[in-house]
Amino acid sequence: GAGVSQSPRYKVAKRGQDVALRCDPISGHVSLFWYQQALGQGPEFLTYFQNEAQLDKSGLPSDRFFAERPEGSVSTLKIQRTQQEDSAVYLCASSRHPATNEKLFFGSGTQLSVL
Amino acid sequence: EDQVTQSPEALRLQEGESSSLNCSYTVSGLRGLFWYRQDPGKGPEFLFTLYSAGEEKEKERLKATLTKKESFLHITAPKPEDSATYLCAVQALDRGSTLGRLYFGRGTQLTVWP
Repeated sequence: GAGVSQSPRYKVAKRGQDVALRCDPISGHVSLFWYQQALGQGPEFLTYFQNEAQLDKSGLPSDRFFAERPEGSVSTLKIQRTQQEDSAVYLCASSRHPATNEKLFFGSGTQLSVL
Repeated sequence: EDQVTQSPEALRLQEGESSSLNCSYTVSGLRGLFWYRQDPGKGPEFLFTLYSAGEEKEKERLKATLTKKESFLHITAPKPEDSATYLCAVQALDRGSTLGRLYFGRGTQLTVWP
């Protein structure tokens, strides 16, 4: 695709509901990141995939957060039993390969509101 | 702990009024410093990467510079379309740090009015 695509664009969930957020990275991109951006803050790292392997999940705030990328392309971020503090924009980013000087291409994000 | 601090939090400029945004960082070792632009409702868009003190990069009305402790994003004769949030981010040299992982500041919200 032309860019990183995320869906849904907006998600409203009742507290306690499970949600799934989808990311379609740029075709052929090896590295995939998930970031969380609270209102008025910079993005905060959640997790990193290299192809289908989840190499770093140190930023996931609790065991309610789970991410996968089973075939090394599309990724899903799942949040179980959502809480109000989970309300944020969830950004997905990809890059061609895991080199330090590779710029990240970001999607427009999924804005999650937990009521 | 690695930290990135941006100032000011918000900046209002009249069209044509040049200014600078600041990004100070404390990391165990710097792999690279990145500037991104973020428009409302969009993801960050890459602007520049700087790697070593003294390096400068330019793109249209923007110029980024880097010292050992901070980076500046200079905006010359800004236009209303330059209005956005400008984010600074660093990659750390820490061996335990995931390759490509970025640590972001909170951003500077720039408004340029005609």
